[in-house]
Amino acid sequence: AQSVTQLDSHVSVSEGTPVLLRCNYSSSYSPSLFWYVQHPNKGLQLLLKYTSAATLVKGINGFEAEFKKSETSFHLTKPSAHMSDAAEYFCVVREPRQFYFGTGTSLTVIP
Amino acid sequence: DGGITQSPKYLFRKEGQNVTLSCEQNLNHDAMYWYRQDPGQGLRLIYYSQIVNDFQKGDIAEGYSVSREKKESFPLTVTSAQKNPTAFYLCASSIGTSGRSHNEQFFGPGTRLTVL
Repeated sequence: AQSVTQLDSHVSVSEGTPVLLRCNYSSSYSPSLFWYVQHPNKGLQLLLKYTSAATLVKGINGFEAEFKKSETSFHLTKPSAHMSDAAEYFCVVREPRQFYFGTGTSLTVIP
Repeated sequence: DGGITQSPKYLFRKEGQNVTLSCEQNLNHDAMYWYRQDPGQGLRLIYYSQIVNDFQKGDIAEGYSVSREKKESFPLTVTSAQKNPTAFYLCASSIGTSGRSHNEQFFGPGTRLTVL
């Protein structure tokens, strides 16, 4: 069965410190994995995607994620948080016919 | 300028009324989706369509209906049978869902529906 687990519903960091948002998945296939960001009352914007070409994926706004098959993880990181990073983040796995969403992690950035 | 548009941005409905949410895309995508988002929850799939004139129920289809008469349009009707329709509704599209495609979904800006 396929599932996506975002291990933290809320994360708070100070501006300028590293960000780590954790995601574990299970899939019957070799999955495609995505991270999206959502600002309040907005649609979702793609941050980055893993498509088996490289295990370390770089995305927009300084974010990156590493696919670890042995750990079935796809954690999102950023070296230095900015105030504008405060938002909801979703980890998503794609199988042939559907996309499966985690429940989201709310990131707060403290000035 | 390619993308997905949803209208209206805010919608108010009286109990017992049907309302239709619009979703249009000019990305030439085959697949389109409707999701419902409630506070503190992830996205739940209502309906999806992989091709014109065909659509499938998602996880929470009860009380909703859709049509796909044109490739670029996928309207969602929230019927009076949906007992708790107040939520944020998101439309998305992707190139396709067949085979081993790695393509992502593109999302519209959403419609916030409130039942009065």
